[in-house]
Amino acid sequence: RKEVEQDPGPFNVPEGATVAFNCTYSNSASQSFFWYRQDCRKEPKLLMSVYSSGNEDGRFTAQLNRASQYISLLIRDSKLSDSATYLCVVNRSSASKIIFGSGTRLSIRP
Amino acid sequence: DAGVTQSPTHLIKTRGQQVTLRCSPKSGHDTVSWYQQALGQGPQFIFQYYEEEERQRGNFPDRFSGHQFPNYSSELNVNALLLGDSALYLCASRRTSSGFYNEQFFGPGTRLTVL
Repeated sequence: RKEVEQDPGPFNVPEGATVAFNCTYSNSASQSFFWYRQDCRKEPKLLMSVYSSGNEDGRFTAQLNRASQYISLLIRDSKLSDSATYLCVVNRSSASKIIFGSGTRLSIRP
Repeated sequence: DAGVTQSPTHLIKTRGQQVTLRCSPKSGHDTVSWYQQALGQGPQFIFQYYEEEERQRGNFPDRFSGHQFPNYSSELNVNALLLGDSALYLCASRRTSSGFYNEQFFGPGTRLTVL
């Protein structure tokens, strides 16, 4: 079993729709969680960190469920520019390696 | 601020050859990590360097080795290249003292093709 698992998609949704991704992790000692965005043939870029209490940044909401060991990302009022691969990232401490999920592809259609 | 830079951007090698990839971290960053990203996959952690030492290593064979220099820049070396080593190699840097939620910044990557 992979340490971090994501639904690969692709998710193909119309502009303006709300879309949600989940990511599960297997190591209960994991302490910090992130969502990265990666555009085609580009490097990953941090979208948002995920805090225990959940956090929101504009149209994006991230949630963490430690009991069930998953994190989620909700995108509201999706834009064409949201089309990308979304990578779930987990690490156990600031000193340990960072584990990426395989990514979820999102395609927003006009 | 130049951000994380990597060289070369593209590279073509043949099986059995050796390759060296280079990375300069973002200004103020002291920790460098290397990742391999195959097509359609997420980045896979290779290793991390801090204070010129390898601190963490992923599940990669000894053919993958690295180095960090006093100016925090880093090299990734791969010996005896295999076809399966074809991938995008990403370097990421962060500042170790920056606290718990310490963001990594990625370079644009080096695309290695092994023929």
